[in-house]
Amino acid sequence: SQQGEEDPQALSIQEGENATMNCSYKTSINNLQWYRQNSGRGLVHLILIRSNEREKHSGRLRVTLDTSKKSSSLLITASRAADTASYFCASSYSGGYQKVTFGIGTKLQVIP
Amino acid sequence: ETGVTQTPRHLVMGMTNKKSLKCEQHLGHNAMYWYKQSAKKPLELMFVYSLEERVENNSVPSRFSPECPNSSHLFLHLHTLQPEDSALYLCASSQDLIQLIIAGELFFGEGSRLTVL
Repeated sequence: SQQGEEDPQALSIQEGENATMNCSYKTSINNLQWYRQNSGRGLVHLILIRSNEREKHSGRLRVTLDTSKKSSSLLITASRAADTASYFCASSYSGGYQKVTFGIGTKLQVIP
Repeated sequence: ETGVTQTPRHLVMGMTNKKSLKCEQHLGHNAMYWYKQSAKKPLELMFVYSLEERVENNSVPSRFSPECPNSSHLFLHLHTLQPEDSALYLCASSQDLIQLIIAGELFFGEGSRLTVL
Protein backbone atom coordinates (compact mmCIF):
# COMPACT_ATOMS: atom_id res chain seq x y z
CA SER A 1 0.00 0.00 0.00
CA GLN A 2 1.16 3.52 -0.78
CA GLN A 3 -0.68 4.96 2.16
CA GLY A 4 1.26 7.38 4.29
CA GLU A 5 1.43 7.10 8.01
CA GLU A 6 1.44 10.17 10.19
CA ASP A 7 3.19 10.35 13.50
CA PRO A 8 2.13 11.13 16.14
CA GLN A 9 -1.55 10.29 15.82
CA ALA A 10 -2.39 12.93 18.41
CA LEU A 11 -0.51 15.99 19.63
CA SER A 12 -1.43 18.53 22.28
CA ILE A 13 0.58 21.73 22.70
CA GLN A 14 0.27 25.18 24.23
CA GLU A 15 -0.48 28.19 22.09
CA GLY A 16 2.73 29.77 20.85
CA GLU A 17 4.66 26.50 20.73
CA ASN A 18 5.74 24.80 17.52
CA ALA A 19 4.01 21.66 16.30
CA THR A 20 5.82 19.02 14.27
CA MET A 21 4.08 16.18 12.48
CA ASN A 22 5.77 13.45 10.50
CA CYS A 23 4.68 11.33 7.59
CA SER A 24 6.16 8.23 6.03
CA TYR A 25 5.25 6.63 2.72
CA LYS A 26 6.18 3.45 0.93
CA THR A 27 6.84 3.89 -2.78
CA SER A 28 8.27 6.55 -5.08
CA ILE A 29 6.16 9.64 -5.29
CA ASN A 30 5.66 12.56 -7.66
CA ASN A 31 4.80 14.96 -4.90
CA LEU A 32 3.53 15.05 -1.34
CA GLN A 33 0.88 17.33 0.07
CA TRP A 34 -0.39 18.25 3.47
CA TYR A 35 -4.06 18.87 4.15
CA ARG A 36 -5.96 20.15 7.13
CA GLN A 37 -9.41 19.05 8.31
CA ASN A 38 -11.48 20.77 10.94
CA SER A 39 -13.71 18.40 12.86
CA GLY A 40 -16.39 16.86 10.62
CA ARG A 41 -15.53 19.10 7.67
CA GLY A 42 -13.80 18.68 4.33
CA LEU A 43 -10.07 18.68 3.79
CA VAL A 44 -8.27 21.85 2.80
CA HIS A 45 -5.01 21.80 0.89
CA LEU A 46 -2.14 23.48 2.75
CA ILE A 47 1.07 22.94 0.86
CA LEU A 48 2.65 20.73 -1.78
CA ILE A 49 6.26 19.67 -2.07
CA ARG A 50 7.60 18.02 -5.20
CA SER A 51 9.83 14.98 -5.15
CA ASN A 52 12.86 17.05 -6.27
CA GLU A 53 12.39 19.61 -3.49
CA ARG A 54 13.72 19.27 0.05
CA GLU A 55 12.04 22.11 1.87
CA LYS A 56 9.17 24.50 1.34
CA HIS A 57 7.66 27.34 3.33
CA SER A 58 4.23 28.92 3.36
CA GLY A 59 3.53 31.45 6.10
CA ARG A 60 3.92 29.63 9.42
CA LEU A 61 4.21 26.27 7.70
CA ARG A 62 7.45 24.53 6.83
CA VAL A 63 7.50 21.21 5.03
CA THR A 64 10.53 19.02 4.50
CA LEU A 65 10.88 15.96 2.31
CA ASP A 66 13.50 13.24 2.54
CA THR A 67 13.02 10.88 -0.37
CA SER A 68 15.83 8.60 0.79
CA LYS A 69 13.92 7.94 4.01
CA LYS A 70 10.52 8.22 2.33
CA SER A 71 9.41 10.72 4.94
CA SER A 72 8.13 14.25 5.29
CA SER A 73 7.51 16.59 8.17
CA LEU A 74 5.16 19.52 8.68
CA LEU A 75 6.17 22.21 11.14
CA ILE A 76 3.66 24.80 12.31
CA THR A 77 5.44 27.62 14.08
CA ALA A 78 3.93 29.84 16.78
CA SER A 79 0.78 27.77 16.92
CA ARG A 80 -2.63 29.30 17.55
CA ALA A 81 -5.84 27.85 18.97
CA ALA A 82 -7.30 28.11 15.46
CA ASP A 83 -4.69 25.60 14.26
CA THR A 84 -6.57 22.89 16.17
CA ALA A 85 -7.50 20.36 13.49
CA SER A 86 -6.42 17.05 11.95
CA TYR A 87 -3.52 17.14 9.52
CA PHE A 88 -3.05 14.62 6.75
CA CYS A 89 -0.22 13.90 4.41
CA ALA A 90 -1.12 12.72 0.95
CA SER A 91 1.30 11.13 -1.44
CA SER A 92 0.81 11.43 -5.15
CA TYR A 93 2.18 8.73 -7.43
CA SER A 94 1.56 7.29 -10.83
CA GLY A 95 -0.27 3.99 -10.85
CA GLY A 96 -1.92 3.70 -14.22
CA TYR A 97 -3.08 7.23 -13.67
CA GLN A 98 -2.19 9.69 -10.98
CA LYS A 99 -3.36 8.64 -7.55
CA VAL A 100 -3.44 10.48 -4.28
CA THR A 101 -3.48 8.40 -1.11
CA PHE A 102 -3.87 9.67 2.42
CA GLY A 103 -2.68 8.63 5.86
CA ILE A 104 -4.72 8.41 9.07
CA GLY A 105 -3.77 11.92 10.13
CA THR A 106 -2.42 13.68 13.19
CA LYS A 107 -4.97 15.26 15.47
CA LEU A 108 -3.50 18.52 16.77
CA GLN A 109 -4.92 20.35 19.76
CA VAL A 110 -3.58 23.80 20.54
CA ILE A 111 -4.49 24.90 24.05
CA PRO A 112 -5.06 28.64 24.50
CA GLU B 1 -21.07 29.24 -3.90
CA THR B 2 -18.17 27.36 -2.44
CA GLY B 3 -15.98 25.36 -4.81
CA VAL B 4 -17.36 21.89 -4.08
CA THR B 5 -20.81 21.45 -2.58
CA GLN B 6 -22.13 18.22 -1.13
CA THR B 7 -25.71 17.40 -0.17
CA PRO B 8 -27.09 16.25 2.12
CA ARG B 9 -24.65 17.06 4.92
CA HIS B 10 -26.21 14.39 7.11
CA LEU B 11 -28.13 11.27 6.17
CA VAL B 12 -29.60 8.50 8.28
CA MET B 13 -30.91 5.46 6.46
CA GLY B 14 -32.01 1.93 7.11
CA MET B 15 -30.35 -1.04 5.50
CA THR B 16 -33.18 -1.49 3.00
CA ASN B 17 -33.38 2.16 1.92
CA LYS B 18 -32.17 3.67 -1.32
CA LYS B 19 -30.63 7.13 -1.14
CA SER B 20 -28.19 9.26 -3.08
CA LEU B 21 -25.40 11.64 -2.23
CA LYS B 22 -24.83 14.58 -4.52
CA CYS B 23 -21.69 16.54 -5.29
CA GLU B 24 -21.40 19.65 -7.43
CA GLN B 25 -18.22 21.53 -8.27
CA HIS B 26 -18.12 25.11 -9.53
CA LEU B 27 -14.42 25.15 -10.38
CA GLY B 28 -14.50 24.01 -13.99
CA HIS B 29 -12.55 20.87 -13.09
CA ASN B 30 -12.52 17.72 -15.20
CA ALA B 31 -11.82 15.08 -12.56
CA MET B 32 -14.00 14.15 -9.60
CA TYR B 33 -13.56 11.66 -6.78
CA TRP B 34 -15.42 9.93 -4.00
CA TYR B 35 -13.54 9.19 -0.78
CA LYS B 36 -14.76 7.38 2.33
CA GLN B 37 -13.52 8.51 5.73
CA SER B 38 -14.05 6.14 8.65
CA ALA B 39 -12.79 6.68 12.17
CA LYS B 40 -9.12 5.79 12.66
CA LYS B 41 -8.67 4.68 9.07
CA PRO B 42 -6.96 6.43 6.15
CA LEU B 43 -9.18 8.07 3.61
CA GLU B 44 -10.23 5.41 1.14
CA LEU B 45 -10.42 6.32 -2.52
CA MET B 46 -13.64 4.82 -3.90
CA PHE B 47 -14.18 6.13 -7.41
CA VAL B 48 -12.44 8.41 -9.88
CA TYR B 49 -14.08 10.10 -12.85
CA SER B 50 -12.25 11.95 -15.58
CA LEU B 51 -14.29 13.82 -18.19
CA GLU B 52 -17.36 11.91 -17.00
CA GLU B 53 -15.75 8.51 -17.53
CA ARG B 54 -15.05 6.25 -14.60
CA VAL B 55 -11.35 5.44 -14.48
CA GLU B 56 -11.18 3.78 -11.09
CA ASN B 57 -13.42 1.54 -9.06
CA ASN B 58 -11.29 0.77 -6.05
CA SER B 59 -12.86 -2.60 -5.18
CA VAL B 60 -15.97 -0.90 -3.91
CA PRO B 61 -19.02 -3.13 -3.22
CA SER B 62 -21.80 -2.88 -5.75
CA ARG B 63 -24.17 -1.46 -3.13
CA PHE B 64 -22.36 1.82 -3.92
CA SER B 65 -23.13 3.01 -7.44
CA PRO B 66 -21.55 6.21 -8.77
CA GLU B 67 -22.91 8.38 -11.54
CA CYS B 68 -21.29 11.32 -13.30
CA PRO B 69 -23.78 12.90 -15.73
CA ASN B 70 -21.45 15.81 -16.54
CA SER B 71 -18.12 17.17 -15.37
CA SER B 72 -19.76 19.33 -12.70
CA HIS B 73 -21.90 16.72 -10.98
CA LEU B 74 -21.18 13.46 -9.25
CA PHE B 75 -23.61 11.20 -7.44
CA LEU B 76 -23.20 8.23 -5.17
CA HIS B 77 -26.28 6.01 -5.15
CA LEU B 78 -26.68 3.89 -2.04
CA HIS B 79 -28.78 0.76 -1.61
CA THR B 80 -28.93 -2.08 0.89
CA LEU B 81 -26.06 -0.65 2.91
CA GLN B 82 -24.56 -2.18 6.03
CA PRO B 83 -23.95 -0.48 9.38
CA GLU B 84 -20.19 -0.61 8.68
CA ASP B 85 -20.80 1.71 5.73
CA SER B 86 -21.50 4.51 8.18
CA ALA B 87 -18.83 7.12 7.52
CA LEU B 88 -18.11 10.58 6.18
CA TYR B 89 -18.24 10.51 2.39
CA LEU B 90 -16.10 13.17 0.79
CA CYS B 91 -16.28 14.39 -2.77
CA ALA B 92 -13.26 16.05 -4.32
CA SER B 93 -12.25 17.51 -7.65
CA SER B 94 -9.05 18.42 -9.45
CA GLN B 95 -8.33 20.31 -12.63
CA ASP B 96 -7.70 17.00 -14.34
CA LEU B 97 -5.74 13.81 -13.74
CA ILE B 98 -2.59 15.18 -15.39
CA GLN B 99 -2.69 18.42 -13.37
CA LEU B 100 -2.70 16.28 -10.26
CA ILE B 101 0.90 15.41 -11.07
CA ILE B 102 1.91 19.06 -11.36
CA ALA B 103 -0.17 20.81 -8.75
CA GLY B 104 -1.37 17.81 -6.77
CA GLU B 105 -4.24 19.72 -5.26
CA LEU B 106 -7.58 18.18 -4.52
CA PHE B 107 -10.52 20.41 -3.64
CA PHE B 108 -12.86 18.79 -1.17
CA GLY B 109 -16.47 19.34 -0.26
CA GLU B 110 -17.65 19.43 3.35
CA GLY B 111 -18.72 15.82 3.23
CA SER B 112 -21.92 13.86 3.79
CA ARG B 113 -22.12 12.14 7.17
CA LEU B 114 -23.92 8.84 6.60
CA THR B 115 -25.37 6.71 9.37
CA VAL B 116 -26.76 3.29 8.49
CA LEU B 117 -29.08 1.80 11.09
